[in-house]
Amino acid sequence: EIVMTQSPDTLSVSPGERATLSCRASQSVSSNLAWYQQKPGQAPWLLIYGASTRATGIPARFSGSGSGTEFTLTISSLQSEDFAVYFCQQYNNWPLTFGGGTKVEIK
Amino acid sequence: QVQLQESGPGLVKPSQTLSLTCTVSGASISNGDYYWSWIRQPAGKGLEWIGRVYSSGSTNYNPSLESRVTISMDTSKKQFSLTLGSVTAADTAVYYCARLGSLRGTTYFDSWGQGTLVTVSS
Repeated sequence: EIVMTQSPDTLSVSPGERATLSCRASQSVSSNLAWYQQKPGQAPWLLIYGASTRATGIPARFSGSGSGTEFTLTISSLQSEDFAVYFCQQYNNWPLTFGGGTKVEIK
Repeated sequence: QVQLQESGPGLVKPSQTLSLTCTVSGASISNGDYYWSWIRQPAGKGLEWIGRVYSSGSTNYNPSLESRVTISMDTSKKQFSLTLGSVTAADTAVYYCARLGSLRGTTYFDSWGQGTLVTVSS
């Protein structure tokens, strides 16, 4: 199976600052990568698919990039509602696999 | 707008079988553009894909759980179900049902249920 590794585990950022999250695949997943946001007590929410396409209703401050094995999620100017855990997921191969998550916390 | 809702026992004894149902509203479960899937998340940990079912009844499971898992669908009730046998404490988690694209390049989860906590304990 493809192993997804996210870094860092925790990112401390001040409101209004930029956050950059990384996701690495153990083998190429092409652009078949999605990003999700999860807040405490809630289900994950789709942010990005196809490595760089924002899902419906997702603000433009969220952007995704990368292909192959290296991917990045950037939040350009953190808002209070953006403090959460973010997961990447590859869908190039079965079984579908997720990264371990990056927690974005208030600095 | 599609909505998914998990239901089932919140407590299961070790060695017994965990059974959950997901009821879908706002979308046709027979739509060939989608798979219907289960994912779980132990407290404070990451997400693990369990498996998926298609409208034809075909299934695909995570090899790590395949020997213990069955996912089935009842289109007349707009439901799909998960059974996980021989459970242990390691199966304690929040279980989510979700919709998964079935077309090439769409196999991400675009809708999720709220999740249900299942605890394995005697």
